[in-house]
Amino acid sequence: SQKIEQNSEALNIQEGKTATLTCNYTNYSPAYLQWYRQDPGRGPVFLLLIRENEKEKRKERLKVTFDTTLKQSLFHITASQPADSATYLCALGGGNNRLAFGKGNQVVVIP
Amino acid sequence: NAGVTQTPKFQVLKTGQSMTLQCAQDMNHNSMYWYRQDPGMGLRLIYYSASEGTTDKGEVPNGYNVSRLNKREFSLRLESAAPSQTSVYFCSSSPGERISGNTIYFGEGSWLTVV
Repeated sequence: SQKIEQNSEALNIQEGKTATLTCNYTNYSPAYLQWYRQDPGRGPVFLLLIRENEKEKRKERLKVTFDTTLKQSLFHITASQPADSATYLCALGGGNNRLAFGKGNQVVVIP
Repeated sequence: NAGVTQTPKFQVLKTGQSMTLQCAQDMNHNSMYWYRQDPGMGLRLIYYSASEGTTDKGEVPNGYNVSRLNKREFSLRLESAAPSQTSVYFCSSSPGERISGNTIYFGEGSWLTVV
């Protein structure tokens, strides 16, 4: 069955360092992958989209890679700040109207 | 520009009671969705509507009904609430009829407890 895996353990990282999150998937051939940020008690907010024919996307301090051979996406936050502390969700999409979400990975940036 | 608005924000129901979660978007989006989010389970799609007048089941539709009242509004109804429906519910919308990479915009969530 389709599976999307994100690390269930929180990532604690020192301010200024690069945080790297992993999204692995099986039994799925997504046309694109998205990353969302979710703060406690709030709805998810879209960050980045990367399509299957793209290797890398950047937006300010964020970088996403997508390796369809490894079935993996990496999400990087460079020069991390305490304000980056949140849960980050990856989501896979294809030709239908559905996005399949991972369970999310919490990031805690320590000042 | 409010985006996606959900009501109520919090609700406590007794087992067997019914209620409707309301959702409206002001972005002229075609597609709307209802998700539930439970600890350790992630976001799961309950129902979606690709366009006004159409609705389709998602991953976990049992115990729920939906109505796409018009382009702006998409409501979720629990006919006979059960404790297993205790969850946080998110309404969301996206621009296109086929998501095809379109961004999803989420509401702020509705916390529902069934006792």
